[in-house]
Amino acid sequence: GDSVTQMEGPVTLSEEAFLTINCTYTATGYPSLFWYVQYPGEGLQLLLKATKADDKGSNKGFEATYRKETTSFHLEKGSVQVSDSAVYFCALSDRGSARQLTFGSGTQLTVLP
Amino acid sequence: DSGVTQTPKHLITATGQRVTLRCSPRSGDLSVYWYQQSLDQGLQFLIQYYNGEERAKGNILERFSAQQFPDLHSELNLSSLELGDSALYFCASSVKQGGGTDTQYFGPGTRLTVL
Repeated sequence: GDSVTQMEGPVTLSEEAFLTINCTYTATGYPSLFWYVQYPGEGLQLLLKATKADDKGSNKGFEATYRKETTSFHLEKGSVQVSDSAVYFCALSDRGSARQLTFGSGTQLTVLP
Repeated sequence: DSGVTQTPKHLITATGQRVTLRCSPRSGDLSVYWYQQSLDQGLQFLIQYYNGEERAKGNILERFSAQQFPDLHSELNLSSLELGDSALYFCASSVKQGGGTDTQYFGPGTRLTVL
């Protein structure tokens, strides 16, 4: 079945550091790929998405490129802020009969001032 | 604010009891999804409804059931509760039937604690 493997956390960075959170997937079809963010005590918010190979999703300085050849969707940000501290989830949605999101295990990011 | 509402925010109950979690999707969204987030299992899909009909089932226990009403709100019923059912339960909604490019928007969740 479909699966998402995410970089193990937690990740601790200083403010203005470069961020990469790795995400790879296994799917039978051509899934859509998502990054969701969960701030403390809140629900999941969509951060960005990409629906086909070589698409780049971007939002709030975060970017991720859909790489079909490496089945990856790594999240990057050039300069993190304290307010970026949260848990980040990579997820996929299969275009086939399955309707649900399959999530990775989540990566806790802490940004120190 | 995603536009998806869930009630209650917190629920504390005892083993063996039954509870109902409620979700109102975003205006215009026809699909509702339920997910469970626990420390040991992570985020898992439970069930999906589209315009009142069940469309997909995930790792949902037989003790759990759900329905979607004509006004499109949904309820998740959990019965014969066990300690291991303690988790955060999320509802999400999307416009269409789901899959592919359809984006799911999540509610704030209901935290269930079973004592």
